[in-house]
Amino acid sequence: DAGVIQSPRHEVTEMGQEVTLRCKPISGHNSLFWYRQTMMRGLELLIYFNNNVPIDDSGMPEDRFSAKMPNASFSTLKIQPSEPRDSAVYFCASSYAHVPGQGRREKLFFGSGTQLSVL
Amino acid sequence: RKEVEQDPGPFNVPEGATVAFNCTYSNSASQSFFWYRQDCRKEPKLLMSVYSSGNEDGRFTAQLNRASQYISLLIRDSKLSDSATYLCVVKGPEGGSYIPTFGRGTSLIVHP
Repeated sequence: DAGVIQSPRHEVTEMGQEVTLRCKPISGHNSLFWYRQTMMRGLELLIYFNNNVPIDDSGMPEDRFSAKMPNASFSTLKIQPSEPRDSAVYFCASSYAHVPGQGRREKLFFGSGTQLSVL
Repeated sequence: RKEVEQDPGPFNVPEGATVAFNCTYSNSASQSFFWYRQDCRKEPKLLMSVYSSGNEDGRFTAQLNRASQYISLLIRDSKLSDSATYLCVVKGPEGGSYIPTFGRGTSLIVHP
């Protein structure tokens, strides 16, 4: 299996621009997570999906952030407009549980991340 | 989101040393516990799960203390390749789902 695939690997943009991050989870996985990692705050959960349905987006910083999962093999995280404080590494992760969201032992598989720099 | 706390370190140890990290969690209802490893500029990867009775995988030993709400990771005979950040992960019920919450990580540097 190719693993979780994220694109782009690096994104440099100017403040105010729209940024779209993409994720392809591992085939067959039924939960997908978006995390943001910074030195100051560590890994923060932004939003997660079970069977393509957003379950909890309470970690999304503000209305500038939105995420979609139109099908089981694709998800996007969009920031519009972007700000310098959004600069971070954004990770997508997926997992499988017999009943999504109820898995206690299932491990997360992470993508390689997107390094976002907003100037 | 429930809190998971770790000493950020860095722990700077010579090859062959034994080193231990602790992680405390605040949600007493937490059900599952893990240690992940993250190399510099890479994604986190599962190192090992932590079971109630404690478990060992080669040079790595993980233990859980539910009464005091902490988990630990012991690394024996440290190798240069063990240098990384070790992330504690706790899964607890959140609105009916089991969501993984990460600590900020403990940095380990193993030197010759």
